Amino acid sequence: GAGVSQSPRYKVAKRGQDVALRCDPISGHVSLFWYQQALGQGPEFLTYFQNEAQLDKSGLPSDRFFAERPEGSVSTLKIQRTQQEDSAVYLCASSLVLASYEQYFGPGTRLTVT
Amino acid sequence: GIQVEQSPPDLILQEGANSTLRCNFSDSVNNLQWFHQNPWGQLINLFYIPSGTKQNGRLSATTVATERYSLLYISSSQTTDSGVYFCAVKKGGRETSGSRLTFGEGTQLTVNP
Repeated sequence: GAGVSQSPRYKVAKRGQDVALRCDPISGHVSLFWYQQALGQGPEFLTYFQNEAQLDKSGLPSDRFFAERPEGSVSTLKIQRTQQEDSAVYLCASSLVLASYEQYFGPGTRLTVT
Repeated sequence: GIQVEQSPPDLILQEGANSTLRCNFSDSVNNLQWFHQNPWGQLINLFYIPSGTKQNGRLSATTVATERYSLLYISSSQTTDSGVYFCAVKKGGRETSGSRLTFGEGTQLTVNP
């Protein structure tokens, strides 16, 4: 079956612009996660949804970052007033039921802020 | 939070050689995964192994949860094995108290022909 998909794959934004990144999890997966990966480092957790409920947003770096999953399927990560330090790869993952289950990752969106 | 340490940070092998990658973690876990990040950035699931031993072809993994480490074995390495290998863990406990996977810094593996 289809894996996790993300769009766009690449995004270039001028500093100060707002961006929206989309994640389509594996069909039927209850849990959805967003991670941020800086160059040369491991991914770092941003936020976690169980169905439409955002249960953990402790990893979001500032109030410019906002995520939603209104119908418990597709999720959008929005970054307002982008800064250069937001440049990174944004990864989405999903798992069948609980966070302790195996997580599957999408290909990521590479965001470059100029 | 939970700490994850991977070693070695870099590893260079000749094709056909065997290798062992190590992951140490600082607390009890209920999820441990090994990933291979290919040159295009895709994280490929290798093993979901919070405890015990698993094998998949030339790869195998062992997690000793009581001693807080996991090992990834690569046998008869091939050039396509090159890339970064990540260990990631989820702290044990209540579901909402530790939902995140915490990743190590990775091992950069280069397999030369």
